[in-house]
Amino acid sequence: AQSVTQLDSQVPVFEEAPVELRCNYSSSVSVYLFWYVQYPNQGLQLLLKYLSGSTLVKGINGFEAEFNKSQTSFHLRKPSVHISDTAEYFCAVSPIYNAGNMLTFGGGTRLMVKP
Amino acid sequence: GAGVSQTPSNKVTEKGKYVELRCDPISGHTALYWYRQSLGQGPEFLIYFQGTGAADDSGLPNDRFFAVRPEGSVSTLKIQRTERGDSAVYLCASSLMAGGPNEQFFGPGTRLTVL
Repeated sequence: AQSVTQLDSQVPVFEEAPVELRCNYSSSVSVYLFWYVQYPNQGLQLLLKYLSGSTLVKGINGFEAEFNKSQTSFHLRKPSVHISDTAEYFCAVSPIYNAGNMLTFGGGTRLMVKP
Repeated sequence: GAGVSQTPSNKVTEKGKYVELRCDPISGHTALYWYRQSLGQGPEFLIYFQGTGAADDSGLPNDRFFAVRPEGSVSTLKIQRTERGDSAVYLCASSLMAGGPNEQFFGPGTRLTVL
């Protein structure tokens, strides 16, 4: 079984400041890692994913994440946030060798960008 | 092309009633997933289909929940004898096929409220 912990339920930040959203996971098997964003009244949208290879992954909207296997972490970062980045962010994992690729999500982090 | 659509967007029902939630996946996607997102939490896996068959229903909370996908496209999640604890947003996702790193594309969800 897998579990995902997002350490911060809310992160307030001023516009143009950098931000880091933290994600730690637990799994007895190798996993793929994902970050999704959920804007109000919209479906989840994939920001980025780590499958293999380079541990630094770049996604859409200027976001990036770094996979750290020893710390079982996959923190999301952006060097300069915009008001439009205000949303709920979810970290998720799925077992590599699972036929179904079902996602296990963390509890979410609400990013609130203030002017 | 069109994304994943879900109907209705909102459903209010009374305790003990039967409800059906519908999901229209992206055309050509063979895998379809249902997740449930309770208030303030991340989505939790319920069931997934590869084609017409339910490949894994281990996330269904009890036998009041059932889902079908008779022609391998549209899916219906059925909840009998609804309880107040069933109130949540029910999310549907589809992917080209199950397994591996195939991206899941999410619909906007159906918000179910059981009074």
